[in-house]
Amino acid sequence: QKEVEQDPGPLSVPEGAIVSLNCTYSNSAFQYFMWYRQYSRKGPELLMYTYSSGNKEDGRFTAQVDKSSKYISLFIRDSQPSDSATYLCAMIEDSWGKLQFGAGTQVVVTP
Amino acid sequence: GAVVSQHPSRVICKSGTSVKIECRSLDFQATTMFWYRQFPKQSLMLMATSNEGSKATYEQGVEKDKFLINHASLTLSTLTVTSAHPEDSSFYICSARDRDTYQPQHFGDGTRLSIL
Repeated sequence: QKEVEQDPGPLSVPEGAIVSLNCTYSNSAFQYFMWYRQYSRKGPELLMYTYSSGNKEDGRFTAQVDKSSKYISLFIRDSQPSDSATYLCAMIEDSWGKLQFGAGTQVVVTP
Repeated sequence: GAVVSQHPSRVICKSGTSVKIECRSLDFQATTMFWYRQFPKQSLMLMATSNEGSKATYEQGVEKDKFLINHASLTLSTLTVTSAHPEDSSFYICSARDRDTYQPQHFGDGTRLSIL
């Protein structure tokens, strides 16, 4: 079993809809949680970074962490075609550990 | 802030040549840099962790002599693919982490390497 599970998709939504992404994990030692966006043939771009359970909002993006359920989510409101990309969840045990990535979910926002 | 520059973005070369890829942190000092490899439609696979002034730590299965890593300063790490062969063709991505406080890794834009 992988440490981080993420549905690879593709997830197709109409423009303006809410995109809902999630990851589950098995290692209870993970403390820091990140979401990256990766466009084709580009490096991952950091979207959200959290280190506690609860919600964090930044513009159209909301990240949720539920450590008791070992479950994290990313919501994108008012989705745009430019949001079409692969979204990677990532997590880490401590400040100096290695990132563990999910498989990435491909999102397609159709006009 | 937290910009990581990777160069070149695209390399095409003949089998047997060596290729050097540079990774620079432009606006912060990176004690640690990471090198990843990514195959199409797959997630990132960590190859090695590079600490400034010390030898890199390679992940299991990664050939140290094939993938030479140098991290000579707090803003520059290089990956050299030696005697490259077609099976080394891939997308290579570096990332860097701020030295002062824990911050997430920031990634370069990757290098697409094609060995003919």
